[in-house]
This record gives sequence, C-alpha cells and structure tokens, in this order.
Amino acid sequence: DAKTTQPPSMDCAEGRAANLPCNHSTISGNEYVYWYRQIHSQGPQYIIHGLKNNETNEMASLIITEDRKSSTLILPHATLRDTAVYYCIALTGYSTLTFGKGTMLLVSP
Amino acid sequence: EAGVAQSPRYKIIEKRQSVAFWCNPISGHATLYWYQQILGQGPKLLIQFQNNGVVDDSQLPKDRFSAERLKGVDSTLKIQPAKLEDSAVYLCASSPRTDGGKLFFGSGTQLSVL
Repeated sequence: DAKTTQPPSMDCAEGRAANLPCNHSTISGNEYVYWYRQIHSQGPQYIIHGLKNNETNEMASLIITEDRKSSTLILPHATLRDTAVYYCIALTGYSTLTFGKGTMLLVSP
Repeated sequence: EAGVAQSPRYKIIEKRQSVAFWCNPISGHATLYWYQQILGQGPKLLIQFQNNGVVDDSQLPKDRFSAERLKGVDSTLKIQPAKLEDSAVYLCASSPRTDGGKLFFGSGTQLSVL
C-alpha cells in the first residue's frame, strides 16, 4: 500500500473549519484513501473514504486532488470533541489497515 | 447496534506472568482483528481472523502470543510470558467483510507490565 505523509500536529479554533492534509504521491489506481480518528482512550473510528471523487458524510468531507497524489479531510465546524489523532491510510480492497502516526488535531476554545 | 466489546479495560501484571484479553465483535461480523498500540504510535496489526480461521498472523510474536476465535464469534488473545515491552493498548476490531477498510474498533485493553 502507498505510504502517506501527514503533519504531526495542527491547531484549530472551535467553530472554524479544520483542514487536515495528507500526501500519498505513490498511490496506485486501485487504492482508496481512508480516514480514521482516535480520541484519547478510545479505539480508532472510521470517518470517510474515497477513490477519485470528493465525498461527504455527516462527519466530514474528503477532497481528493485530480492526480490523486494528495487529499484533505475537512471538518466544517470543529468542536472541542474533534480533538483527536487523525489517520490517513491508503489501501486496496484486499489489504489490511496499516496505521502511521497520524496528525494530532487540537481544537481550542 | 452494540459495538465491539472488550475486557478487561485495564490490566497490570508483572513480567513473566500470563494475561488474556477477550473480545466480542459486532454481531454478524465475520472478520476480527487484534491490534497492538504502543504509546505514541499508531495501532499495529497482530492477527486477522475470517470466521474461525486465521487470515494473517505474520506480525504476531508466536513464541509468546496466541489467539483463538472459537465458533467464529468471540476471540481471546493471550500473552505468556509477558515482557516489559508488551505494555500497550490491545485493540479488537471487527468488519462484516474481509475486503475494504471500514473497521469497527473496541475501546481496547490497556496492559501495563511491571
């Protein structure tokens, strides 16, 4: 599976949009981009995934560049409860979820 | 629906002792995973089951770790004997499919080996 690169940490003010970037420049055509988050003392939680098109659900939006070499997870109105480690993972339909170190997002009042 | 259940929530043991963790996946989920998460790192896959068969145990330290999933539902992960470096959170996850990356995780068991 393609390696992904994320900033180790980011800050966001409560109520503002949080834009979390992910670089996956070696992604192959059959690899999806998955996003998970892990709130302190909890297991990881699935957020969203996509292949080529932008995706939106009740939790977030996923924007994938046309060349698929990078993506951005958008939390439109961040709350204090969105403080967590966010993981961006590229994988095919037959591989297993492999986590990196992710981005620690701190949402402040 | 009920989520993935794990117990105990916390466990403290001395090195060379044995310990066991239990996981009850979401009803109907055929695939079950055990992950190990050391402080400051992302979770690392230890073993994957499809029903009661092992799909991938390549990263399981088989000299001390064992896991089983009898009847294709509940699962138990055992460490015997424990080492200091086994201190970690042990996460169980389940999925209705073997393919795809949408997993449902439990809250984990935090193990401290003294």
